[in-house]
Amino acid sequence: DGGITQSPKYLFRKEGQNVTLSCEQNLNHDAMYWYRQDPGQGLRLIYYSQIVNDFQKGDIAEGYSVSREKKESFPLTVTSAQKNPTAFYLCASSPDREWGGYTFGSGTRLTVV
Amino acid sequence: GIQVEQSPPDLILQEGANSTLRCNFSDSVNNLQWFHQNPWGQLINLFYIPSGTKQNGRLSATTVATERYSLLYISSSQTTDSGVYFCAVASGGGADGLTFGKGTHLIIQP
Repeated sequence: DGGITQSPKYLFRKEGQNVTLSCEQNLNHDAMYWYRQDPGQGLRLIYYSQIVNDFQKGDIAEGYSVSREKKESFPLTVTSAQKNPTAFYLCASSPDREWGGYTFGSGTRLTVV
Repeated sequence: GIQVEQSPPDLILQEGANSTLRCNFSDSVNNLQWFHQNPWGQLINLFYIPSGTKQNGRLSATTVATERYSLLYISSSQTTDSGVYFCAVASGGGADGLTFGKGTHLIIQP
């Protein structure tokens, strides 16, 4: 079945460490997105990519980095510069520029210990 | 940017009841979607509905773009309908991201 796979489901990070969250899709979608969700809040956009080798900052990009070397993959790195990284991270994709019907992965819960 | 307000923030109903969830947005949109987030965090796309009315089983949605609001109707609620319902919008096609409301937390009691 087509879908989006995020890994790991749970991730623990020590202070000062960089960690990378994986997002892979087999839907042949052009656009991919990373969102952050804090308890009781809506989703906020971190980064997005509409095409391979290109990506744009979202509303809260500081302390995060991404790459888009393949159409299927859009990994997110949470760097030590992100002061409050504990959150639920969701990856999504959409098929094309004209119809943004999103499909989401199951998320990664990141906790700083 | 666009502001999205959802109401009510919390809703507790008995199984079998009907409910209406509202989404107001501050500017014209070309993309509006409703999502359901289950207790495990998975987001499911319910409707892509920038205008008009759609129905899918017990769920239906209506967007009145000229008045900048959308409604999600849930009929004959079941316990599996529990979770958080999000409205998300974009002024463009949505390829550069959606703006989400804070959601309506729905609890259906047996």
